[in-house]
Amino acid sequence: GAVVSQHPSWVICKSGTSVKIECRSLDFQATTMFWYRQFPKQSLMLMATSNEGSKATYEQGVEKDKFLINHASLTLSTLTVTSAHPEDSSFYICSARGLAGLPSREQYFGPGTRLTVT
Amino acid sequence: QKEVEQNSGPLSVPEGAIASLNCTYSDRGSQSFFWYRQYSGKSPELIMSIYSNGDKEDGRFTAQLNKASQYVSLLIRDSQPSDSATYLCAVRRAGDNDMRFGAGTRLTVKP
Repeated sequence: GAVVSQHPSWVICKSGTSVKIECRSLDFQATTMFWYRQFPKQSLMLMATSNEGSKATYEQGVEKDKFLINHASLTLSTLTVTSAHPEDSSFYICSARGLAGLPSREQYFGPGTRLTVT
Repeated sequence: QKEVEQNSGPLSVPEGAIASLNCTYSDRGSQSFFWYRQYSGKSPELIMSIYSNGDKEDGRFTAQLNKASQYVSLLIRDSQPSDSATYLCAVRRAGDNDMRFGAGTRLTVKP
């Protein structure tokens, strides 16, 4: 149980375009979803936290107009990187916590999306 | 002082040995503690969670928590080359949604 999926697993896009990444909790309802970014050989960096039906809370230094997060349902959150630039190239990972039971105390990660902006 | 500190390693152990990974945290309000394993190029995978002082065992893994010393560790018995990865310690305060991660310890198990 507690499976989180992400789509796409990798994407290459041109500078200036937008990219949408989907994150789904497959076997539990995720009241809270998290978006992380990880650069090579660095640790996870939390970008934002979103609760279903509410606006996301962004970490300091993360541009909310550039990284649009929508947590429309208890099983789906999306991250849209708008007007992507090469410096946005990174590994984007979502994570989810559930309503009750084991997933509510633990946080499970999706497989990640590798974004390359050319 | 970082909120969650780990020795970056690399930690190298021979196959079959016990690997000991350590983590200290600064916030005494922390109540939930997690160990994740991350293979290169992959996302973190939850190995253990621990919420109360003492030891918690799951197969070859044992998590140890000492809240008074603000210390949590992970022991891997009978280490295998497939255990070679970066191990992330994560800590969450009561009532908080998000966790704080350490930078990770890179473990190499040599055959």
